[in-house]
Amino acid sequence: EPEVTQTPSHQVTQMGQEVILRCVPISNHLYFYWYRQILGQKVEFLVSFYNNEISEKSEIFDDQFSVERPDGSNFTLKIRSTKLEDSAMYFCASADIGTGLNTGELFFGEGSRLTVL
Amino acid sequence: KQEVTQIPAALSVPEGENLVLNCSFTDSAIYNLQWFRQDPGKGLTSLLLIQSSQREQTSGRLNASLDKSSGRSTLYIAASQPGDSATYLCAVNQPWNAGNMLTFGGGTRLMVKP
Repeated sequence: EPEVTQTPSHQVTQMGQEVILRCVPISNHLYFYWYRQILGQKVEFLVSFYNNEISEKSEIFDDQFSVERPDGSNFTLKIRSTKLEDSAMYFCASADIGTGLNTGELFFGEGSRLTVL
Repeated sequence: KQEVTQIPAALSVPEGENLVLNCSFTDSAIYNLQWFRQDPGKGLTSLLLIQSSQREQTSGRLNASLDKSSGRSTLYIAASQPGDSATYLCAVNQPWNAGNMLTFGGGTRLMVKP
């Protein structure tokens, strides 16, 4: 069964360093997302991406964050200068919106745990 | 702004019991609603998706219902098993032309005791 894959599974970084989290969405999906979950808190929406541009972003997704689809398969989240409060599990997701199925179901990866020291 | 609440926050039941998890949301203009399972430190596994026009969906021992007008959904788990122990998350999806973003509840942490 097709799945969303994420790398790395865990990254430890020093405050102020740049981090890139990578995702390979399900191949025929057109909508991509990043969510995050700070330990013990709700899963929060960060950004959605469609047709090579951001379609929606939350207040959390400030200038320190960026997303990119550098090729036909990868979808990346970059944090330019990490802060302690960026420590969280980051989830990538994709959905079949616009493919003709349009169920709107989101499929999530296993997550990348980011620890900022 | 959509708010999603799940009650109870935690639940402990003996094996074999049928149980109901509750989810409520404040804005009834939703595209769909998904129930997820999350094991500790793991990702989100989609269990059931209910479209806004549907009343319920079933998958095995799981049955999810949706009452959009009252802003409620329930997840019914029949004959619970220790392997069902996990956190169950409810998430509502805004219309896709409004960004198609999921708003999550805080989850219900379920423990099924053998």
